[in-house]
Amino acid sequence: DAGVTQSPTHLIKTRGQQVTLRCSPKSGHDTVSWYQQALGQGPQFIFQYYEEEERQRGNFPDRFSGHQFPNYSSELNVNALLLGDSALYLCASSLVGGNTEAFFGQGTRLTVV
Amino acid sequence: GEDVEQSLFLSVREGDSSVINCTYTDSSSTYLYWYKQEPGAGLQLLTYIFSNMDMKQDQRLTVLLNKKDKHLSLRIADTQTGDSAIYFCAEEPGGYQKVTFGTGTKLQVIP
Repeated sequence: DAGVTQSPTHLIKTRGQQVTLRCSPKSGHDTVSWYQQALGQGPQFIFQYYEEEERQRGNFPDRFSGHQFPNYSSELNVNALLLGDSALYLCASSLVGGNTEAFFGQGTRLTVV
Repeated sequence: GEDVEQSLFLSVREGDSSVINCTYTDSSSTYLYWYKQEPGAGLQLLTYIFSNMDMKQDQRLTVLLNKKDKHLSLRIADTQTGDSAIYFCAEEPGGYQKVTFGTGTKLQVIP
């Protein structure tokens, strides 16, 4: 079992550009959550996808959007990048309704210049 | 709303026990987690405890939960240099799978 995989591992973008990050959940998991971890901070919840729908959302602007595919994989899109979007973006997968913990991927390090 | 607080830094000598403390606010939390993050890496789940438990032991790790005070602690016995990392306490309200993290405690182990 490969666990949760994220791609790419590192990314550099210019302010104003758009970026797409990808996540494949752990085998058997159907729910994907995205987190942003700024340097020196704990991860902050962005949103969660289940059954291809956004189920919950944290306090992030509409520039942050996502998608979940029928195979449960997910994308995080960020438009009009700001310098402050530079962070480690973490994906976590879990199984809805089950007493199982969330498993995290290694993250994508996004740098906005 | 949810809020999780931790002290920022802890320094211990190799072989000693480490105790990392955390307070949380959401009384409906079902799961309480401890994650480890090494430099440049993602999050590694160390252990978790259900809110109906007081204590959980897993090899060198002991988690204590005081529900009345909303206080969670992680004790690492016989701390090793490989335990040097940032440790995050996190809470999850029941059934929602939205995890709220603390700011992390940096553990430094001195040889």
